[in-house]
Amino acid sequence: DGGITQSPKYLFRKEGQNVTLSCEQNLNHDAMYWYRQDPGQGLRLIYYSQIVNDFQKGDIAEGYSVSREKKESFPLTVTSAQKNPTAFYLCASSIATGTNQPQHFGDGTRLSIL
Amino acid sequence: AQKITQTQPGMFVQEKEAVTLDCTYDTSDPSYGLFWYKQPSSGEMIFLIYQGSYDQQNATEGRYSLNFQKARKSANLVISASQLGDSAMYFCAMREGPTTDSWGKFQFGAGTQVVVTP
Repeated sequence: DGGITQSPKYLFRKEGQNVTLSCEQNLNHDAMYWYRQDPGQGLRLIYYSQIVNDFQKGDIAEGYSVSREKKESFPLTVTSAQKNPTAFYLCASSIATGTNQPQHFGDGTRLSIL
Repeated sequence: AQKITQTQPGMFVQEKEAVTLDCTYDTSDPSYGLFWYKQPSSGEMIFLIYQGSYDQQNATEGRYSLNFQKARKSANLVISASQLGDSAMYFCAMREGPTTDSWGKFQFGAGTQVVVTP
C-alpha cells in the first residue's frame, strides 16, 4: 500500500539536543511538506519541497532544518534553537503541480521536552 | 493575510442530523482547489472532499457534500446523517495556481471541532 510513514510516533528531547523526525513516502510525489500543530490549533507550515535538492521556508522555519536528498525522504531536524518544540508534527506529500491534487499525510510525530 | 477562514471554533450536533461547517477563502487566482480534511483525536489527517474552481457542480462524496458558492468565496462542508465517528476536527484548505506567490503551498483554516452526541 502506498503511503507516508513518519517515525517515531513519540519522541522526547532533552534541553540543548537536536532531534530528527523521519518522513518517507512511496507515492512517487514530488512535493513534501512539514507542519507543526499545537493543541487545539491549526497547521502551520515549517518547510516544503517541490523537488529533490530544493526546499523553501514556510511560516515558522526558525529553529528547524530539512534536507531533500531523495524523492522519497524529507527528514526534519528540530534544533536546540527551537525553544518551544513540544508539538505534533505532520508530514505530507502531494503531486507538485495541479490545484486538484490533495495532500496525503503521515500519522504524525508527537515531540515532547524532557 | 488569512486566506482561509473558518469562523466556527466548535459545534455540537445530534446523531443522524446534518451539520454545515463554514469556510470562506480569499484568492485572486482564477485557478484553485478547495479541500476538506478530517482530523480525529488520534491525529491523522483524512482527506474528505475536493472542489475545483472551475467545477460547475458541487462535489459530493458519500455523506459529505460541498456547498460551493464561488461569488461569495465560500466552500461549506455539509455532513449528512451525522454519526458518532464524525466527531473530529475539520479543516478547510486551498491550493492556488502557479501564478500566485503561494504556489506549491496549501493554506489551512483554523479548523472546526465537531462533537456528535447520541
